[in-house]
Amino acid sequence: DGGITQSPKYLFRKEGQNVTLSCEQNLNHDAMYWYRQDPGQGLRLIYYSQIVNDFQKGDIAEGYSVSREKKESFPLTVTSAQKNPTAFYLCASTDRGPYGYTFGSGTRLTVV
Amino acid sequence: AQTVTQSQPEMSVQEAETVTLSCTYDTSESNYYLFWYKQPPSRQMILVIRQEAYKQQNATENRFSVNFQKAAKSFSLKISDSQLGDTAMYFCAFMNEAGSGYALNFGKGTSLLVTP
Repeated sequence: DGGITQSPKYLFRKEGQNVTLSCEQNLNHDAMYWYRQDPGQGLRLIYYSQIVNDFQKGDIAEGYSVSREKKESFPLTVTSAQKNPTAFYLCASTDRGPYGYTFGSGTRLTVV
Repeated sequence: AQTVTQSQPEMSVQEAETVTLSCTYDTSESNYYLFWYKQPPSRQMILVIRQEAYKQQNATENRFSVNFQKAAKSFSLKISDSQLGDTAMYFCAFMNEAGSGYALNFGKGTSLLVTP
């Protein structure tokens, strides 16, 4: 079945460490997105990519980095520069166009 | 940047009743797209309904329908015959036609509880 896989489901890291969240899709979608979800804040856009080897900053890109070396993969790195990294992270993809997204099941990151 | 406002942080409805969730947005664009997403306790995001701004007819998907008022920049979601499985966070979202990478801009959500 086609879909988006985010791994791991839960991730714990010590403060000051970089951590990479995985997002893989087999839907042949061109565009991929990373959102952060905090209680009472809705979903906020971190980064997005419309094609391989190209990506754009979203509203809250500071302290995060991404790469898009393959169409099916869009990993997100949470760096030590991110002040409050503990959150729920959602990855999504879509064909380039005004369609609804397909979302992954999310990664809950806790930094202690 | 476009803003999406959901003014009801929490709502409650009895099973089989009808409930309406509010959403307003701010944009200077003439063509755009609006969405409602549902996030149940599993936290999986599920597309409920989609509306194209240039279409005057309100979108409908089974028990879910919208009231799209373009001049008022309002996009409310009506859930008829509410079921226990409708308990979830509901997010309203806005998408420009182009120029923004088809990025969705979400409201802060409304938590809906359906009670027996």
